[in-house]
Amino acid sequence: AIQMTQSPSSLSASVGDRVTITCRASQAIRNDLGWYQQKPGKAPKLLIYAASTLQSGVPSRFSGSGSGTDFTLTISSLQPEDFATYYCQQNYVYPRTFGHGTKVDIK
Amino acid sequence: EVQLVESGGGLVQPGGSLRLSCAASGFTFSNYAMSWVRQAPGKGLEWVSATGASGTSAYYADSVKGRFTISRDNSKNTLFLQMNSLGAEDTAFYYCTKDLYSSGAYYFDYWGQGALVTVSS
Repeated sequence: AIQMTQSPSSLSASVGDRVTITCRASQAIRNDLGWYQQKPGKAPKLLIYAASTLQSGVPSRFSGSGSGTDFTLTISSLQPEDFATYYCQQNYVYPRTFGHGTKVDIK
Repeated sequence: EVQLVESGGGLVQPGGSLRLSCAASGFTFSNYAMSWVRQAPGKGLEWVSATGASGTSAYYADSVKGRFTISRDNSKNTLFLQMNSLGAEDTAFYYCTKDLYSSGAYYFDYWGQGALVTVSS
């Protein structure tokens, strides 16, 4: 199975900060990568698919980039509602696999 | 509005069985692949199983292969997950998801609220 490694596992940031989360696949996955946001007690929400396509309704401060094995999720200006856990996930091959998550909390 | 509502979760003894259902509405169910994703309490996400729009294809995580069966009834807009030989490691919230297809890959674009399955004696 393809392993997805996210870094960092957690980070503390302030409102207005630029935040970057990275995700590395153990083998090339083209751009078949999604990013999800999960808040406590809630179901995850799709933010970005195909590595860089913003899901409908998601604020433009979220962006994704990358291809092959290295991917990045960027929040250009962190807002209070963005404090959550973020997961990357590959859809290149079964089994579909998630990263272990990056928790973004308030500094 | 897309809605996915899971049911059938609960407490089951080790070695037991449970069947989850997911009632879908707000979209043409028979046109979309669907999946199950689980999350043990306080842990990360794990994809469990997926099925194509017609229900003729099925895919499973190694951790559940041979024990779980995904199926769907397109006439009733319902997705199922039959879970047998359950163990403590299967304790989790189980989410039903609708799959978005893009450039040869599927993504989970809508999620249910989750059904809690607890395996314990």
